[in-house]
Amino acid sequence: GAGVSQSPSNKVTEKGKDVELRCDPISGHTALYWYRQSLGQGLEFLIYFQGNSAPDKSGLPSDRFSAERTGGSVSTLTIQRTQQEDSAVYLCASSPRQGVTEAFFGQGTRLTVV
Amino acid sequence: EDQVTQSPEALRLQEGESSSLNCSYTVSGLRGLFWYRQDPGKGPEFLFTLYSAGEEKEKERLKATLTKKESFLHITAPKPEDSATYLCAVQALRSGGGYNKLIFGAGTRLAVHP
Repeated sequence: GAGVSQSPSNKVTEKGKDVELRCDPISGHTALYWYRQSLGQGLEFLIYFQGNSAPDKSGLPSDRFSAERTGGSVSTLTIQRTQQEDSAVYLCASSPRQGVTEAFFGQGTRLTVV
Repeated sequence: EDQVTQSPEALRLQEGESSSLNCSYTVSGLRGLFWYRQDPGKGPEFLFTLYSAGEEKEKERLKATLTKKESFLHITAPKPEDSATYLCAVQALRSGGGYNKLIFGAGTRLAVHP
């Protein structure tokens, strides 16, 4: 596609429910990143993928958070047993081939846990 | 620990009043420094990548420069449409090559008034 696509754009869920957030990176981009942005805050790194593997998942806040990437393309971020503090905008970005490092972001998914 | 600090947190300018935004960083070997623009409710939009001290890049009214410790985003004769949050990020070198996470500053909120 022309850009990084994220779905849904907005998600309201009840505390304790599981949610899945989807990211479609730019076609051919090998690196994929997930970040979280809370209201008025900077971008907090969650995890990055190189192909289908995740060399760095150090930013995942707890074991309720997990992510996978299949076919070197689509990625899903799953949050289990959501808590109110999980409310934030979840941003996905992708980068082209190794050696070219610019990352391009999607519009984000705004998650609200009530 | 790799770190990025941006200043000021917020900046208000009159249309045509030039100014600079600062990004100070500490990183264990710089692979690249990135500037992004973020409008409310949207994902960050890539502006520039700088790789080495002394490098400069320009785009319309924006000019980014890099030293070994900081980067500046100079805005010349700004217009109201330049109002946004400007984010700075660094990417550290990774042993054996490959990608590393982007570490973001908290951003500078720029408001340009007519």
